[in-house]
Amino acid sequence: DTAVSQTPKYLVTQMGNDKSIKCEQNLGHDTMYWYKQDSKKFLKIMFSYNNKELIINETVPNRFSPKSPDKAHLNLHINSLELGDSAVYFCASSPGRGHTYNEQFFGPGTRLTVL
Amino acid sequence: KNQVEQSPQSLIILEGKNCTLQCNYTVSPFSNLRWYKQDTGRGPVSLTIMTFSENTKSNGRYTATLDADTKQSSLHITASQLSDSASYICVVSESTNAGKSTFGDGTTLTVKP
Repeated sequence: DTAVSQTPKYLVTQMGNDKSIKCEQNLGHDTMYWYKQDSKKFLKIMFSYNNKELIINETVPNRFSPKSPDKAHLNLHINSLELGDSAVYFCASSPGRGHTYNEQFFGPGTRLTVL
Repeated sequence: KNQVEQSPQSLIILEGKNCTLQCNYTVSPFSNLRWYKQDTGRGPVSLTIMTFSENTKSNGRYTATLDADTKQSSLHITASQLSDSASYICVVSESTNAGKSTFGDGTTLTVKP
């Protein structure tokens, strides 16, 4: 009965490859997010979707493209992977729209290592 | 530019002791402030959420305070346990701009026996 799930948990790949990370939430939430946590443990928001609509898009290279087929899923596709993309990527969801007075529930994270 | 600064960056305490973590912010217009706990290798978990009108909120041994005038918050941990060892992240959200959140860089707490 996992609330927010991500796959895969670990991803090791070569520079230049294209990869995807999947996220699903079974909480019935309207808003989903992708965060990047670097080696210094700093969490940075990348994207936020509300009912499949993009509402927050931080300054992220266009090699990163989120895809929301429905409000329960928000996948992250990364093209032409670079060494600097190595990090832990967290998916999260919350009820309501945006970062309002709503608790965010985080997934377990996907550790991406680019060699 | 909206900022959230946490202190100390890291803290080591003995089991059973109390400690207080600080969060200062410049986020405006203010909507809410949240404290998260992140265990190593796990996603952050929400501890407390406070709006402008709330001065204090407790969650078990965790008590958060908020002074919206001075834009300061603290997280007090009472009678620490080994399982409190984690990173504690302060997050402040705007009331506009789609409620955009600014994350602090966290305080790493280590509780030793």
